Amino acid sequence: DAGVTQSPTHLIKTRGQQVTLRCSPKSGHDTVSWYQQALGQGPQFIFQYYEEEERQRGNFPDRFSGHQFPNYSSELNVNALLLGDSALYLCASSLDPAYGYTFGSGTRLTVV
Amino acid sequence: AQTVTQSQPEMSVQEAETVTLSCTYDTSENNYYLFWYKQPPSRQMILVIRQEAYKQQNATENRFSVNFQKAAKSFSLKISDSQLGDTAMYFCALSNFGNEKLTFGTGTRLTIIP
Repeated sequence: DAGVTQSPTHLIKTRGQQVTLRCSPKSGHDTVSWYQQALGQGPQFIFQYYEEEERQRGNFPDRFSGHQFPNYSSELNVNALLLGDSALYLCASSLDPAYGYTFGSGTRLTVV
Repeated sequence: AQTVTQSQPEMSVQEAETVTLSCTYDTSENNYYLFWYKQPPSRQMILVIRQEAYKQQNATENRFSVNFQKAAKSFSLKISDSQLGDTAMYFCALSNFGNEKLTFGTGTRLTIIP
């Protein structure tokens, strides 16, 4: 049973560009959350999707947007990239978040 | 707002010994969940153990157990008979009932020495 799959694994972008990160949740999971993990820090919540709607959002600017598709897969889009957006972006899925999430291995984004 | 604090940036212990990682948290809610996640160099967060705040009994998963002190808002992780594969970053996390985002601490880097 495949867990959470994220693509790409690594990405290098230039300041001002736009990026799209992709996530396929674990089979049967319908809730997808995205987290940003800066180097040496704990993950920070970006937003959560359920039934194709954004259900919660953390303290991130509107440059961060997302989407969930009918098959529960999800995308994270970041516009007008800043150097400070360099981080590991983690996708997590769940059927019941009270029991915890299954995480992917993340996408390492470097903005130069 | 909810916060999670891990005051031990790094720890190391000899293989087969027992180690305890500390975590304190703050939340205004009465119903919540606490988690310990492990992040090895592969970067994938792996759920180690989970505790429901309304349950007084401490959770246990094989070599991993917690000491949950609700009044003190403390949630420590004990790893018994530590193994080389336990080497990783360990994150304590909190989510409130009905608000399912996870709030993480800054992590503890645990090294098991052969």
